[in-house]
Amino acid sequence: DTGVSQDPRHKITKRGQNVTFRCDPISEHNRLYWYRQTLGQGPEFLTYFQNEAQLEKSRLLSDRFSAERPKGSFSTLEIQRTEQGDSAMYLCASNRGNEKLFFGSGTQLSVL
Amino acid sequence: GESVGLHLPTLSVQEGDNSIINCAYSNSASDYFIWYKQESGKGPQFIIDIRSNMDKRQGQRVTVLLNKTVKHLSLQIAATQPGDSAVYFCAETHNTDKLIFGTGTRLQVFP
Repeated sequence: DTGVSQDPRHKITKRGQNVTFRCDPISEHNRLYWYRQTLGQGPEFLTYFQNEAQLEKSRLLSDRFSAERPKGSFSTLEIQRTEQGDSAMYLCASNRGNEKLFFGSGTQLSVL
Repeated sequence: GESVGLHLPTLSVQEGDNSIINCAYSNSASDYFIWYKQESGKGPQFIIDIRSNMDKRQGQRVTVLLNKTVKHLSLQIAATQPGDSAVYFCAETHNTDKLIFGTGTRLQVFP
């Protein structure tokens, strides 16, 4: 399977805990994006990388959120001190820039 | 701020009929538009795209129309099938920047 891979598919956590998600993009893609999606809404942009450089972060990305792409391949998104409002689907996508985005199946986060 | 929106939140069509899903965008500088299909529990799946130097593009059973004058985008699905049931999003971008998504239209296909 050469698509975008996300892990885990589902995560249930208690409020206040930290969680980390992983994304493996399509191998030849230099750009990697994180989006968040709540029920009935379109995906909302969080941040993106070109290779290992984080080029843009949305205002939605509070200081409890951090994303990394240390070697320009896979990426991690960490949420510290989770809140119930963080419950959402976290989507990762990749492309070669100037092309359509390919999305993974997402990580569904539920904060209890 | 810039946004992409949809006129109809839910569209119900009979199997075999044609479907038209509409989208309005507000950023006149947007130069690339994409339609995505999303099924429950899955990530968005690419359907078709169009650049601003075109006004129509056709794929297999799908056609995208772009009207830059009124900043309107539509997706036409011919001979709609039960497997087309999903939520459809339009998305726009400018200068290969991030994609901005609308809120989606749910397409329901009934026999």
